[in-house]
Amino acid sequence: GIQVEQSPPDLILQEGANSTLRCNFSDSVNNLQWFHQNPWGQLINLFYIPSGTKQNGRLSATTVATERYSLLYISSSQTTDSGVYFCAVVIKAAGNKLTFGGGTRVLVKP
Amino acid sequence: NAGVTQTPKFQVLKTGQSMTLQCAQDMNHNSMYWYRQDPGMGLRLIYYSASEGTTDKGEVPNGYNVSRLNKREFSLRLESAAPSQTSVYFCASSLTRANQPQHFGDGTRLSIL
Repeated sequence: GIQVEQSPPDLILQEGANSTLRCNFSDSVNNLQWFHQNPWGQLINLFYIPSGTKQNGRLSATTVATERYSLLYISSSQTTDSGVYFCAVVIKAAGNKLTFGGGTRVLVKP
Repeated sequence: NAGVTQTPKFQVLKTGQSMTLQCAQDMNHNSMYWYRQDPGMGLRLIYYSASEGTTDKGEVPNGYNVSRLNKREFSLRLESAAPSQTSVYFCASSLTRANQPQHFGDGTRLSIL
């Protein structure tokens, strides 16, 4: 079956630190999204990035489709960055179904 | 612009009761989806509707039914709720089935006693 693996599973940061989250996937993708699930449970769209690099403020993401991974960078982390970050992919061979990874739980300490 | 709206936000049911979760989107999207999220896990697809008038099973469809009422609305029904269906349910929509980002509602927290 399709594999979407995120690492690390947990991350504790001091406010102001930088970090990199990784998402590995097992097949060619049509769609890759990064989400932030905040402590209230809301899923916030961060990036739609099936390939290439995008930046939005302190966050940026890079997907290398040929090597089947994506990276999410958080710079100058803030306590509001706490929550769970999910990578989700649509793999054409799987009928265009969005499959989620297990998430990276991030805690930013003041 | 509300995006994707889910109702209710919270619900407690007894085993065997029935319940319909409502979802509406105002983005003129063609495709809509229902997911469930169990504690400590990612989301899993229950059912989806690629376009108005069509519905298909996802990864975990057992115990659920769906109705694509019109282009805006996609409902999820539990006919006879079971404790294993205690979860947070998310509705999402996208412009088309593939190659477009999905946009999520705020979720419905459902507890079945």
